Amino acid sequence: NAGVTQTPKFRVLKTGQSMTLLCAQDMNHEYMYWYRQDPGMGLRLIHYSVGEGTTAKGEVPDGYNVSRLKKQNFLLGLESAAPSQTSVYFCASSYPLGGGLTNIQYFGAGTRLSVL
Amino acid sequence: GIQVEQSPPDLILQEGANSTLRCNFSDSVNNLQWFHQNPWGQLINLFYIPSGTKQNGRLSATTVATERYSLLYISSSQTTDSGVYFCAVGRNTGNQFYFGTGTSLTVIP
Repeated sequence: NAGVTQTPKFRVLKTGQSMTLLCAQDMNHEYMYWYRQDPGMGLRLIHYSVGEGTTAKGEVPDGYNVSRLKKQNFLLGLESAAPSQTSVYFCASSYPLGGGLTNIQYFGAGTRLSVL
Repeated sequence: GIQVEQSPPDLILQEGANSTLRCNFSDSVNNLQWFHQNPWGQLINLFYIPSGTKQNGRLSATTVATERYSLLYISSSQTTDSGVYFCAVGRNTGNQFYFGTGTSLTVIP
């Protein structure tokens, strides 16, 4: 049981390049999330999904797109990377408890992205 | 969104000491979690505690939802407790979580 797996772990991009980050979970969780973590700012939600085929914007969605074609996978795309997107990206998943009003999040190990 | 403030921002303890970390939030919530981020960056869920008190070994947490704060207690601290502790809150109108900026804890032998 691997939990939440993120690939790649590290990546360096040049400004303007594109890339996709993959998050995979094997816990049959309904909800999945992408966060970014910057020094001194905690984690901020980029996009999230409450089920296969659905996505929604979080706190800082600009410059990112996501897709949830399969329940176990949540992809984060950067179409044209900018230096401001240098960050550590975390994926999380959860299964809602108590009729969908609450949930506990489990995190992947993170992807460290540098945009030059 | 919901504003989440954590205090203190930094804490240095001698091994064996006790500490209290605080999380204040600006709106009513029905989901509150404490996480520990270890020095390698991994985030581990410590408590799911939207209200009341829970204990897990040397750690315990209390949330007073009506007063919009939560406390994390660490007793008899060990060097392995070092890292950053985050509080995250959410409410039932959506599934978004809002994180505080964390408390960085260093336990020295």
